[in-house]
Amino acid sequence: GESVGLHLPTLSVQEGDNSIINCAYSNSASDYFIWYKQESGKGPQFIIDIRSNMDKRQGQRVTVLLNKTVKHLSLQIAATQPGDSAVYFCAENGDSSYKLIFGSGTRLLVRP
Amino acid sequence: NAGVMQNPRHLVRRRGQEARLRCSPMKGHSHVYWYRQLPEEGLKFMVYLQKENIIDESGMPKERFSAEFPKEGPSILRIQQVVRGDSAAYFCASSPPGGSGYTFGSGTRLTVV
Repeated sequence: GESVGLHLPTLSVQEGDNSIINCAYSNSASDYFIWYKQESGKGPQFIIDIRSNMDKRQGQRVTVLLNKTVKHLSLQIAATQPGDSAVYFCAENGDSSYKLIFGSGTRLLVRP
Repeated sequence: NAGVMQNPRHLVRRRGQEARLRCSPMKGHSHVYWYRQLPEEGLKFMVYLQKENIIDESGMPKERFSAEFPKEGPSILRIQQVVRGDSAAYFCASSPPGGSGYTFGSGTRLTVV
């Protein structure tokens, strides 16, 4: 399949373990953040979002943490499954209400 | 309820030819966005359109690239006189008015030979 990036940072985890993917965002004006999952040959798929008035938001098996002080965002995936293998991107809105600024991505590999 | 439809999925063009990429937004979505993804990079914003209007084209190269979203039919991203550096995946997204609730299509992978 297509490789989104051969030199992306890679996180390798054992199936069933928890995964933590980190992202440093760039724009202090950003007040909306999104995590996307991109599988090979596909478009970005929304996972979870968070607004800047929150520090934490939980979804099904996923949690996003936001630290505005150090401009850091993380995605936690509980009980990682083989289907979670993909490239994960964080995105921020900068000073725009419609434009997204994407990070460079992290490849998650899940070992069976 | 079909998602964002992009075609073709793969497009091969020789240097100097024109590439036309199409995007049909989700039903009920009137806002379209185009992004480009180069190998080993995240997506980069190119242009934001509403029906018959270009709202923000700040991410579009100044030459050879154009986009439209006519009253009827899909949005078109047009690249004239393609060069090897145009090889990339081009993603379209759509949203309802307000800009939130993006949905991305599966992309068109352009290869310039």
